[in-house]
Amino acid sequence: EVKLVESGGGLVRPGGSLRLSCTASGFTFSSYTMSWIRQSPRKGLEWVSSISGGSVDLHYSASVNGRFTISRDNAKNSMILQMERLTDEDTAVYFCARDPATGFDYWGPGILVSVSS
Amino acid sequence: DIQLTQSPSTLSASVGDRVTITCRASQNINTWLAWYHQKPGKAPRFLIYKASRLETGVPSRFSGSGSGTEYTLTISSVQPDDFGTYFCQQYDSYSYTFGQGTRLEIK
Repeated sequence: EVKLVESGGGLVRPGGSLRLSCTASGFTFSSYTMSWIRQSPRKGLEWVSSISGGSVDLHYSASVNGRFTISRDNAKNSMILQMERLTDEDTAVYFCARDPATGFDYWGPGILVSVSS
Repeated sequence: DIQLTQSPSTLSASVGDRVTITCRASQNINTWLAWYHQKPGKAPRFLIYKASRLETGVPSRFSGSGSGTEYTLTISSVQPDDFGTYFCQQYDSYSYTFGQGTRLEIK
């Protein structure tokens, strides 16, 4: 059974940093591109970043480019999103998802990131 | 970025009704379109990819169609479990984008 679980969310002050993790099981992790997607009441669903199986191809949305860094450790079946210089616009539920190039076929339950003073 | 516009924003239906949701793209996305269903507090569930291909395990009452810039999701006979919000998503090119959602409510 494919399973994805996010961790590391919470409350952070504007300008602060946070590191999200996604732990995967139930499939050959290194064979898949993985992605982060976030959802907020104001912006809806928003794709954030993607990383190919071998970490060669990295993509970021314009809204996070230069502030967020995506990485993965295939030996640990995990993906990381390092988030810097956070603003209230980054407040959202963050999902990790598997991306087999046909859409996002499996999603984690999501984790809340709240940016507030 | 490619913009996706869904209509209607809200849809009221009774169990057994046939419903259709439309997703319009701001440019040709060559059928690189997926549909998802989401219930409150849950992650989206993957339903359809490549505009018309049903994901394994998705009931056959769901179908997708379209080409170019216009796509539809149809539920042939709405069931109680189908209520919630539906989203389209394009994966023609990064940056991937989602529609704003269509909320399917019980009439």
